[in-house]
Amino acid sequence: GQQLNQSPQSMFIQEGEDVSMNCTSSSIFNTWLWYKQDPGEGPVLLIALYKAGELTSNGRLTAQFGITRKDSFLNISASIPSDVGIYFCAGRTGGGADGLTFGKGTHLIIQP
Amino acid sequence: DAGITQSPRYKITETGRQVTLMCHQTWSHSYMFWYRQDLGHGLRLIYYSAAADITDKGEVPDGYVVSRSKTENFPLTLESATRSQTSVYFCASGKAGGRADTQYFGPGTRLTVL
Repeated sequence: GQQLNQSPQSMFIQEGEDVSMNCTSSSIFNTWLWYKQDPGEGPVLLIALYKAGELTSNGRLTAQFGITRKDSFLNISASIPSDVGIYFCAGRTGGGADGLTFGKGTHLIIQP
Repeated sequence: DAGITQSPRYKITETGRQVTLMCHQTWSHSYMFWYRQDLGHGLRLIYYSAAADITDKGEVPDGYVVSRSKTENFPLTLESATRSQTSVYFCASGKAGGRADTQYFGPGTRLTVL
């Protein structure tokens, strides 16, 4: 089956720093999604990417769909305490809304 | 706008018992999904449904049964619960096609099987 490698597993950063995380896939994906999960909550969609090379921003968050269609990146600029949480990448190879393949998450911890 | 809800939020049961987790969405999304989340595994797809009366297996379907008699509901049943099914279960829904095919998650059900 498809596999997503998400890195890093965890990040300890200072408030105000920029953050970068990425996902690589063993398969070509048609869709890349980035989610954030707070403790005790379900994942919340941050950014959706639909074509190779696409670069999309959502406030301080920017994500890119890699040219090879096997990777994606998420950057967070000027981190703030509420950015703490687990960030998941997810991808889908087919069209339509069938199931997503998820990375194992990047746990972001911000030290004031 | 309730969105997507799950019940119960917490459940403790015993090995061998049948358990049903409920999921309800108010968006009229055609697709619905069940995932389980375990430490070290991230989110894994159990079953999904493209429309009422249409269901398909995901990555880890063994030990689970689903049904979709109405578009808005997608219950997940553990016919004979095992300890390995202790997990957090998330339901999600989504529209289909083009830039609409993203998924929206419920708050989760934390299930403990003793």
